[in-house]
Amino acid sequence: GESVGLHLPTLSVQEGDNSIINCAYSNSASDYFIWYKQESGKGPQFIIDIRSNMDKRQGQRVTVLLNKTVKHLSLQIAATQPGDSAVYFCAETNQAGTALIFGKGTTLSVSS
Amino acid sequence: GAGVSQTPSNKVTEKGKYVELRCDPISGHTALYWYRQSLGQGPEFLIYFQGTGAADDSGLPNDRFFAVRPEGSVSTLKIQRTERGDSAVYLCASSPGLLSYNEQFFGPGTRLTVL
Repeated sequence: GESVGLHLPTLSVQEGDNSIINCAYSNSASDYFIWYKQESGKGPQFIIDIRSNMDKRQGQRVTVLLNKTVKHLSLQIAATQPGDSAVYFCAETNQAGTALIFGKGTTLSVSS
Repeated sequence: GAGVSQTPSNKVTEKGKYVELRCDPISGHTALYWYRQSLGQGPEFLIYFQGTGAADDSGLPNDRFFAVRPEGSVSTLKIQRTERGDSAVYLCASSPGLLSYNEQFFGPGTRLTVL
C-alpha cells in the first residue's frame, strides 16, 4: 500500500491498495478530530472522528490514528476503491470549541 | 432524511452589490455554522450560531459580512459591497449541539462569483 510520512497534496494509488493520508494539527489542546471527504461540487462528508483520549478508532474500511505527542493524525483506507477518489481533509476543534479548523487537503486518486 | 440545504447553488454578482445566501439546517439541529472555501483550500470558519444567537463570529473577515438566524432554524449570510476577493464557495453546516460531542453535517455550498 501507499503511505506518506509528511503531508502531500496528492496521492495516487491502485484499486485494492491500502492508502494512508497524514495530517499535522496545530492546537495541542484540541480534544476532537475529524476526517472529511469532499467530492467535486459537494460539501465535506464526515468519514470518522476521534477524541483526544483515544489513539486509534476503526470504522468500515477506515482507521484513524492520533499521535498527540507529535500532533499527528492519519487516515488509513483499506482496499481503496475508485469511489474513494476525492479530497480528504483533517479537522480539529478551535480553542473555543466552537468551530473546526481544517488542514490542508490531500487529493486521493484511485485508478482501476 | 433531508440534509442541510443551501440556496442558491450558484450566485454571480457584480462588484459592489449586496448578496444573501440561505441555509436550511437539519431539523432540530441547534448549532449552525458558516464556512468559506476558496479554490484548493480547506473550509475556513466564519460564524457559529447556537439557537438564535451568534455564539462566535470571530471568523467574519470584516463588517461587510453579517449573518442572522432569527428563529433558530434558517440562517442567512449577508455580504454588502461585494468584492472580487469574496468569490468562494460558502458552506453551511449544522449539528445537534455542542461541536465536540456532535458531528457537523455540511450542505453542498453556494458558489459565489463576484465579477
